Amino acid sequence: NAGVTQTPKFRILKIGQSMTLQCTQDMNHNYMYWYRQDPGMGLKLIYYSVGAGITDKGEVPNGYNVSRSTTEDFPLRLELAAPSQTSVYFCASSSGGTSGGLGTQYFGPGTRLLVL
Amino acid sequence: AQSVAQPEDQVNVAEGNPLTVKCTYSVSGNPYLFWYVQYPNRGLQFLLKYITGDNLVKGSYGFEAEFNKSQTSFHLKKPSALVSDSALYFCAVRSRGTSGAGSYQLTFGKGTKLSVIP
Repeated sequence: NAGVTQTPKFRILKIGQSMTLQCTQDMNHNYMYWYRQDPGMGLKLIYYSVGAGITDKGEVPNGYNVSRSTTEDFPLRLELAAPSQTSVYFCASSSGGTSGGLGTQYFGPGTRLLVL
Repeated sequence: AQSVAQPEDQVNVAEGNPLTVKCTYSVSGNPYLFWYVQYPNRGLQFLLKYITGDNLVKGSYGFEAEFNKSQTSFHLKKPSALVSDSALYFCAVRSRGTSGAGSYQLTFGKGTKLSVIP
């Protein structure tokens, strides 16, 4: 049971380039989330998904896109990288329902992205 | 809208002394409250949560937190700090009253850096 895995661990992008951050969980969780963490700012929710085929915007969605074709995978797409997207990105998952985690989220190790 | 405040950016404590990391929250209705810890270059790890019942919640690594509804607080505590407790601590809240697709969103505080001095 690997939990939540993310790739790559670190990436440098040039302005205007695109990339996909991968996230996979093996806990059969319905809910998945993407956050960005900036120094002194805590975590900001980018997008989340409540199940395969269903996604919704979080607090800071501009410049990002997501898809959820399977329960396990929740990739985050950056289409035109900008310096403001330099950050550490975390994927998380949780179960739902009254018998589930009631919001307890399990996090991946993160992807550090530098846009120059 | 729900929010979390962690009033201290950094807390320093001597090894063996008790530690407290403060958290206050604002939600509509009753809250679900969480503490997470982040070690350098790692993702967040779940420590403990308050759902209902006893106001004193015990979690991993000897940590506990006390829910105080009147003060809307959920302070994290440990009786005797270890150097290995040095990390970044995040408090998070979710309103129990929310429903629908967004109901499982957590709102995180900005984090408190705990340094335990040998």
